[in-house]
Amino acid sequence: GESVGLHLPTLSVQEGDNSIINCAYSNSASDYFIWYKQESGKGPQFIIDIRSNMDKRQGQRVTVLLNKTVKHLSLQIAATQPGDSAVYFCAAYSGGGADGLTFGKGTHLIIQP
Amino acid sequence: DVKVTQSSRYLVKRTGEKVFLECVQDMDHENMFWYRQDPGLGLRLIYFSYDVKMKEKGDIPEGYSVSREKKERFSLILESASTNQTSMYLCASSLGQFGEAGELFFGEGSRLTVL
Repeated sequence: GESVGLHLPTLSVQEGDNSIINCAYSNSASDYFIWYKQESGKGPQFIIDIRSNMDKRQGQRVTVLLNKTVKHLSLQIAATQPGDSAVYFCAAYSGGGADGLTFGKGTHLIIQP
Repeated sequence: DVKVTQSSRYLVKRTGEKVFLECVQDMDHENMFWYRQDPGLGLRLIYFSYDVKMKEKGDIPEGYSVSREKKERFSLILESASTNQTSMYLCASSLGQFGEAGELFFGEGSRLTVL
């Protein structure tokens, strides 16, 4: 089955720096990818998504890059702020309904003042 | 503002008890889902529903059942709670199918401890 993983369980960055959170997936049939943010004590919140016919998508202060050749995607957060402190995880969808969505384990982003 | 509400944020139950976790969404979404979230394992799908009175098993349905009598409400039931069901339970809803309008809206979670 699909496996989705993040490279680092914890990432510490200085406030104001850019953050890059990485994710790898195993199923080459995955065609839709989502990044979620989960703050302490809260449910996951949608940040940005990308389809496999794109390699880059930008939102407000966030950019997702998709490299289908190596089955890798990344979330870039510009000018990291204290409010960005959270667990970030990716999800990959390979079709077939709800059980075709596989979630990664999460990277805890810590913001240093 | 869209909302998925899980009625119980924290529960402590004893082994063998029957547990109900309730979830209500106010977005008129067709699809509703129950996940559990455990450290180091990510979110795992327990059950989902695409319509009233309809349910489908996810990846880890054993020990759980669900009920969807109304479109806005999706309940997760643990018939006889066990300690390995201690976890964070997340309810979610979505308007469309994944890959189309598949954004999942999550509730705040219900943290269940089984003693």
